Amino acid sequence: DQQVKQNSPSLSVQEGRISILNCDYTNSMFDYFLWYKKYPAEGPTFLISISSIKDKNEDGRFTVFLNKSAKHLSLHIVPSQPGDSAVYFCAASEMGGGSNYKLTFGKGTLLTVNP
Amino acid sequence: NAGVTQTPKFQVLKTGQSMTLQCAQDMNHEYMSWYRQDPGMGLRLIHYSVGAGITDQGEVPNGYNVSRSTTEDFPLRLLSAAPSQTSVYFCASSSDLDTQYFGPGTRLTVL
Repeated sequence: DQQVKQNSPSLSVQEGRISILNCDYTNSMFDYFLWYKKYPAEGPTFLISISSIKDKNEDGRFTVFLNKSAKHLSLHIVPSQPGDSAVYFCAASEMGGGSNYKLTFGKGTLLTVNP
Repeated sequence: NAGVTQTPKFQVLKTGQSMTLQCAQDMNHEYMSWYRQDPGMGLRLIHYSVGAGITDQGEVPNGYNVSRSTTEDFPLRLLSAAPSQTSVYFCASSSDLDTQYFGPGTRLTVL
């Protein structure tokens, strides 16, 4: 039973356009959400996070939106650059329970940004 | 500051062999975790530790042992390797006020 779902295995966009990666979750106890970026043969690197008390968090070209009622979050990358091509993982934890070390991951979405 | 380091980078084992995957961090983080990533899957939590001497099971703990004698090190032991343990293993560390930092991974093949 997948608690964090990324239903799009891949996404292809043109350089300069917006990339939107989606993530759904089923566990109502999740209150902290993160996006990680992963290049081949490397470990995941943290990109951006959002607490359930917020509905939006921005960091440069990256914005994460959270819709708690729909149990849905999305990552927007504007403008997309070829260096953004990677696998993006959505992850969730129960921070209120003090468990930011126990992340539940989605299966990932491979983003390809074409020049 | 090396962050999270993992050794070895690659390993091939035969069924039934044992080995230890090493993980070390130099950020004085109290929390450390082990994940495995299989093709088409996200990372799944194997074991985690909230401090020296304290460990607990994650989602997929069977076939793996851990111990945490120091803050810096969190080795993962395979006592009798099985082909189902072929995977890429990632170690991560974090603190209360920070997100998890991941190591570069160990790619393990069990024949």
